[in-house]
Amino acid sequence: DAKTTQPTSMDCAEGRAANLPCNHSTISGNEYVYWYRQIHSQGPQYIIHGLKNNETNEMASLIITEDRKSSTLILPHATLRDTAVYYCIVRGGGTSYGKLTFGQGTILTVHP
Amino acid sequence: NAGVTQTPKFQVLKTGQSMTLQCAQDMNHNSMYWYRQDPGMGLRLIYYSASEGTTDKGEVPNGYNVSRLNKREFSLRLESAAPSQTSVYFCASWDTYEQYFGPGTRLTVT
Repeated sequence: DAKTTQPTSMDCAEGRAANLPCNHSTISGNEYVYWYRQIHSQGPQYIIHGLKNNETNEMASLIITEDRKSSTLILPHATLRDTAVYYCIVRGGGTSYGKLTFGQGTILTVHP
Repeated sequence: NAGVTQTPKFQVLKTGQSMTLQCAQDMNHNSMYWYRQDPGMGLRLIYYSASEGTTDKGEVPNGYNVSRLNKREFSLRLESAAPSQTSVYFCASWDTYEQYFGPGTRLTVT
C-alpha cells in the first residue's frame, strides 16, 4: 500500500473550517484514500473515503487532486468535539482490501 | 446492534502469564482484524481473518495466536506475555467500504 505523509499537528478555531492535508504520491490507480479519526483512546472512527472524485458526507468533505497524489479532508465547521487524531490511509485492493496501515496521523486541536 | 465488542476492557498480567482477548461482532461481517496501539503511535495490524476458517499474519504477529471461532468471534491469545506487549488492543470488522472498531482492551504486562 502507498505511504501517506501528514503534518504532525494542526490548530483550528471553533466554527471555522479545518483543512487537513495528506500526501500519497505513490498511490496506485486502484487504491482508495480513507480518513479515520481517533478521539482520546477510543477505537478509530470512519470519516470518509474516495477514489478519484471529491466526496462529501454529513461529517466532512474529501478533496482529491487530479493526479491523486494528495488530498485534503475538510471539516466545514469544526467544534471542540472534533479535537482528535486524524489518519489518512491508502487502502489497497484485492486481498488486502481490509488491511489498513495507520501512520501517526495529524493531531487536530480545535480551540474556542 | 452492539457493533464490535471486546472483553476485557482492562487487564494486568505478569510476565509469562497467558490470556485470551475476546472479540465479537453482530454485523454479519466476513472479515475481522486485531490491531495494537502503543502510546503515541498509530495502530499496527497483528492478525486478520478474511473469512470464517481463515487467518493470516499482519505486520506484528510474533507472540500472538488467533482463532476465528465462527463468523461472529475472533480471539487473540498471548501464550507467554512480555512487557513489550503492553499496549491497547483493538478488534475490528470490515464491511464493503468501512472498518468498524471495538472500544479496545488496555493490557499492561509487568
